[in-house]
Amino acid sequence: SYELTQPPSVSVSPGQTASITCSGDKLGDKYASWYQQKPGQSPLLVIYQDRKRPSGIPERFSGSNSGNTATLTISGTQAMDEADYYCQAWDSSTASVFGTGTKVTVL
Amino acid sequence: QVQLQESGPGLVKPSETLSLTCVVSGYSINSGYYWGWIRQPPGKGLEWIGNIYYIGNTYYNPSLKSRVTISVDTSKNQFSLKLNSMTAADTALYYCARGLGQGGFDYWGQGTLVTVST
Repeated sequence: SYELTQPPSVSVSPGQTASITCSGDKLGDKYASWYQQKPGQSPLLVIYQDRKRPSGIPERFSGSNSGNTATLTISGTQAMDEADYYCQAWDSSTASVFGTGTKVTVL
Repeated sequence: QVQLQESGPGLVKPSETLSLTCVVSGYSINSGYYWGWIRQPPGKGLEWIGNIYYIGNTYYNPSLKSRVTISVDTSKNQFSLKLNSMTAADTALYYCARGLGQGGFDYWGQGTLVTVST
């Protein structure tokens, strides 16, 4: 079965850039999405189709996807960005799969 | 404003079948998009269960495919999940969501906790 691997945790200082990776075999051939989930809340879509931002998502969230790795970048990280982040891949053969999740801590 | 609301039993006995419904408001299922189910065991990550396209095509997680059925009722603007042979490993928060054509769920329900226990 297809698997997506993320680092368990990422720490970042306020105002700095956080990068969260998502690794999977030939992930660049699929579409990647990213979700932010805060405690007690439903996931929030922050990036879809590799690099598109839904309406209302701040510009500091950006995405890329190439080779075997998709990356979510948070520029100018704020305390409110502290959350769990999940990647998701979709293609017509594997349908959908979520990554293992990354806890982002803003120190 | 698109809203989704899950409903169903909070407690299911082992070996029984779970039935959940997701009522959609603010958008007509007939108009398009995929409609999906995702679950999250307590303290753990997200697991995709399956999607249904508004015209009825279904896509399931291979690891759950033998136990899952997703259906849509456009007259009631809702879709449903059935998961049979439930075990303790199926205890989770179950979410319904609207799926974009090529990945991404942009609207989510609040989730409903399902516990499998005698």
